Amino acid sequence: LAKTTQPISMDSYEGQEVNITCSHNNIATNDYITWYQQFPSQGPRFIIQGYKTKVTNEVASLFIPADRKSSTLSLPRVSLSDTAVYYCLVGALNSGGYQKVTFGTGTKLQVIP
Amino acid sequence: ETGVTQSPTHLIKTRGQQVTLRCSSQSGHNTVSWYQQALGQGPQFIFQYYREEENGRGNFPPRFSGLQFPNYSSELNVNALELDDSALYLCASSTRDTQETQYFGPGTRLLVL
Repeated sequence: LAKTTQPISMDSYEGQEVNITCSHNNIATNDYITWYQQFPSQGPRFIIQGYKTKVTNEVASLFIPADRKSSTLSLPRVSLSDTAVYYCLVGALNSGGYQKVTFGTGTKLQVIP
Repeated sequence: ETGVTQSPTHLIKTRGQQVTLRCSSQSGHNTVSWYQQALGQGPQFIFQYYREEENGRGNFPPRFSGLQFPNYSSELNVNALELDDSALYLCASSTRDTQETQYFGPGTRLLVL
């Protein structure tokens, strides 16, 4: 199972772009990369998912290099409401390899006014 | 709002008791996964149910058991509660038909005294 490594915490000022990098050196061919956001005492919320290159949605962008051993979540112009824990998750969704994946400790993003 | 609901929102039990937590999955989703999240940690996978059968299990003892019903709702049962079982219990629904992500409910906060 692919293990992920993320920074424990990050601080950013409002309005700045934030990039959170996740390392997953032993990612498997079938694995997708998914990022979740979690506020205290709430369930994780899906942000973005990708397999390779770049994916963009209305909330964030996900950059995945060719070797897929890392990925970077980019949050444009963060606001105070983006203060949360961000989890990088690697797994083959809905296949035999996904069932035992764990979230790790995530990256606690603190947005400063 | 993911469409995944959980009940109850909070629960207090004493050591040795049994507890049942409930989850209603998002419409159209046939897979339910349960996670345990201790304070300050990422969610840890307990097990997953697909079409009423357990379809993968994490490192949790047999006193953690579950059910999935024909309408794809699910229950998590924990017997012989221990103090360390105090956590936020999350369920997530998904579909196996595509590489779709999991959608989490708000969780049930369990406190074991």
